[in-house]
Amino acid sequence: SQQGEEDPQALSIQEGENATMNCSYKTSINNLQWYRQNSGRGLVHLILIRSNEREKHSGRLRVTLDTSKKSSSLLITASRAADTASYFCATDKGTYKYIFGTGTRLKVLA
Amino acid sequence: DVKVTQSSRYLVKRTGEKVFLECVQDMDHENMFWYRQDPGLGLRLIYFSYDVKMKEKGDIPEGYSVSREKKERFSLILESASTNQTSMYLCASIPRGLENTEAFFGQGTRLTVV
Repeated sequence: SQQGEEDPQALSIQEGENATMNCSYKTSINNLQWYRQNSGRGLVHLILIRSNEREKHSGRLRVTLDTSKKSSSLLITASRAADTASYFCATDKGTYKYIFGTGTRLKVLA
Repeated sequence: DVKVTQSSRYLVKRTGEKVFLECVQDMDHENMFWYRQDPGLGLRLIYFSYDVKMKEKGDIPEGYSVSREKKERFSLILESASTNQTSMYLCASIPRGLENTEAFFGQGTRLTVV
């Protein structure tokens, strides 16, 4: 069963703009992570936010977590063409059995 | 750097064949996972393993089995390949520890069953 659902499913923006994607989940979690996948490749970890954290930054990435609404958002600022990829959220209840969402396809136009 | 290596990037097999997908990690991780990825469905967990010779079913184990004889290697077996098993297969490993941590993925194997 899919725990996380990202929206939008697809997003197209101009280089330099900010990209925001959202993730909703259904049950309580230990942490939430965001991953990136370039076309036809494996996933690469971007950032992890624990259930007792509300916001986290890493470079041009900003993640927020609202456990009361069971949702998270990933903001990529000043996007670049190289940010074109699919982005997935993954939730963990502390069992190492990470549940991934269906992903947001981001296209950054140069 | 942690490395998770899947034996093939692309594989074409015939219906009914027995197919082995191999995954090796070099960082002594206890936990290993097999996912399949299909458009619109995201990643779905097939099987996972917490330790050598230990395995547990994920969400979609039907038609698959796994083997973990050594800590570094986790194999996914399609006993009799069918066309609906055409998919991208992703292996991942996660170390056991007190802190939550990231999953490390292989590059994926795109399997086509004809």
